Amino acid sequence: GQNIDQPTEMTATEGAIVQINCTYQTSGFNGLFWYQQHAGEAPTFLSYNVLDGLEEKGRFSSFLSRSKGYSYLLLKELQMKDSASYLCAVDNDKIIFGKGTRLHILP
Amino acid sequence: ETGVTQSPTHLIKTRGQQVTLRCSSQSGHNTVSWYQQALGQGPQFIFQYYREEENGRGNFPPRFSGLQFPNYSSELNVNALELDDSALYLCASTMTAGGGETQYFGPGTRLLVL
Repeated sequence: GQNIDQPTEMTATEGAIVQINCTYQTSGFNGLFWYQQHAGEAPTFLSYNVLDGLEEKGRFSSFLSRSKGYSYLLLKELQMKDSASYLCAVDNDKIIFGKGTRLHILP
Repeated sequence: ETGVTQSPTHLIKTRGQQVTLRCSSQSGHNTVSWYQQALGQGPQFIFQYYREEENGRGNFPPRFSGLQFPNYSSELNVNALELDDSALYLCASTMTAGGGETQYFGPGTRLLVL
């Protein structure tokens, strides 16, 4: 079967760092996406990891371990606008999404 | 701006009716995927088209069908609408660049079935 797990909700403070974890078990694997989705809006592409390791893009970084079926999204210097849902999705010729992690940022 | 547009933005239908949703992506985006997203859930894969052929399908019944056209537009058709079909419908187009897949979503069509 296909299974993607991520926490339902997380809370962090403005200016802090937060790590959102994602574990997956899928029948195939080409790569892993992270998306940001604000309420009422479409998902916005953040990253796509194919190889193991950490990829950094400004305040956002994404890590992948294929052998462990594990990824995380790291958000640094949190801003209020980072309050959103973060979706982990596996690419195995079709894109399978997790249910998303709703991130709340406190001032 | 992702360059992916969808129409209409909102739609209200009644049970049993049929609906057609449209998506237009950028030139060169050969792959288009459609998703259904219920409130508070992640998007669920419906199907994917590559160069006008369906090349992947999720767990949706045959009353969900699609088309992709040479001008990089596509359609999602849903027959015999059910109340549970009420959701946000997203299309996403893919352009392979630099060895990675970058998938861009349109703004979505919010469908309400009464």
